[in-house]
Amino acid sequence: SYVLTQTPSMSVAPGQTAPITCGGSDIGRKSVHWYQQKAGQAPVLVIHYDSERPSGIPERFSGSNSGNVATLTITRVEAGDEADYYCHVWDSNSDNRVFGGGTKLTVL
Amino acid sequence: QVQLQESGPGLVKPGQTLSLTCTVSGGAFNVDTYYWDWIRQPAGKGLEWIGRTHISGSTNYNPLLKSRVSVSMDTSKKQFSLKMTSMTAADSAVYFCARGGKFGSPFDYWGQGILATVSS
Repeated sequence: SYVLTQTPSMSVAPGQTAPITCGGSDIGRKSVHWYQQKAGQAPVLVIHYDSERPSGIPERFSGSNSGNVATLTITRVEAGDEADYYCHVWDSNSDNRVFGGGTKLTVL
Repeated sequence: QVQLQESGPGLVKPGQTLSLTCTVSGGAFNVDTYYWDWIRQPAGKGLEWIGRTHISGSTNYNPLLKSRVSVSMDTSKKQFSLKMTSMTAADSAVYFCARGGKFGSPFDYWGQGILATVSS
């Protein structure tokens, strides 16, 4: 089965940039979606199809995907960005929807 | 604005069947574009896709759960449902319903989630 690997946690100071990575075999050939989940809430889609922002998502959120790594980048990090972030792809071989283990972003 | 709301019993005994319903409002339901999905999250852990249904009647399931899961829809009520049999403590989780799409589409709308606890 297809596996997505995320760093469990990271910390960043306000105003800095947070690169959150999602590793997978040849993930650059797949469409990657990213979700933000704040404590006690449902996930919210923040990036879809590698780099597209849904309506209402700030421009500070961007995405890229190449080779074996997809990256969600949050620039000018704010306290309100503190959350868990999950990547998601479709494994066409098994017709399974797969999530990464999540990265907990702490804003110092 | 599309809204999804989960409902069902919060407590299930070991070995019994979990039955949850998701009611959709504010958007199209009976359209070919969308799939209707279930996703769960054990306390303190990550997200796990369970399965989905479509207006055509087709369903797809996580291979790891396929033997215990069924997802169905009632178009007249704009609802879709999850049944998971032989529940154990490991199945205790927050269960989310969500709207997905074909192939590798994202989950663009989610319900708030419902906690299901397996305990005697």
